Amino acid sequence: QKEVEQNSGPLSVPEGAIASLNCTYSDRGSQSFFWYRQYSGKSPELIMSIYSNGDKEDGRFTAQLNKASQYVSLLIRDSQPSDSATYLCAVNRAGGFKTIFGAGTRLFVKA
Amino acid sequence: SAVISQKPSRDICQRGTSLTIQCQVDSQVTMMFWYRQQPGQSLTLIATANQGSEATYESGFVIDKFPISRPNLTFSTLTVSNMSPEDSSIYLCSVAGDRDQPQHFGDGTRLSIL
Repeated sequence: QKEVEQNSGPLSVPEGAIASLNCTYSDRGSQSFFWYRQYSGKSPELIMSIYSNGDKEDGRFTAQLNKASQYVSLLIRDSQPSDSATYLCAVNRAGGFKTIFGAGTRLFVKA
Repeated sequence: SAVISQKPSRDICQRGTSLTIQCQVDSQVTMMFWYRQQPGQSLTLIATANQGSEATYESGFVIDKFPISRPNLTFSTLTVSNMSPEDSSIYLCSVAGDRDQPQHFGDGTRLSIL
């Protein structure tokens, strides 16, 4: 089992729809969770951090964390073609010094 | 967040040569890391650059091949030694303010070996 698992996709949604990206992790002691967006040919860009169970909203993005289920998700509302990218889920191991990145989910938003 | 400058942005090198990549941050950071990313693949951690001491390497990466320096809290270098075509990749520097903080990435170095 990988430490951080994501569906590789591609996930295709129409413009204006909600895109839902999911991630599971194996280290029950993890306390810090992040979502990055990576456009083709660019470096990863942090879009959300979440540390507590529940939802955290920032503009069109909502991160959801359920530590009991070891599950993190990212919702993108009103998806735009400019949201087309690879989304990386990242989880810090217990102790916080090392970040494990998932393989990423490719998202396509169709105009 | 910190401004991270990584140089060079790209290079084409001959096999058997070495290249040093620089990573400069505009503020002091606790954690600095070096990653490799093959096209279409996720990030692979090479090592954690420790200020004032030897870097901590991940399984599959060794100091002789990827020597790392970190002389202070704002600067680090990664050298790719005795390069072969298999070393063609994107190399990324990242920083974090402290543990449990998110990492922020430089723009990367796209390296091609002929």
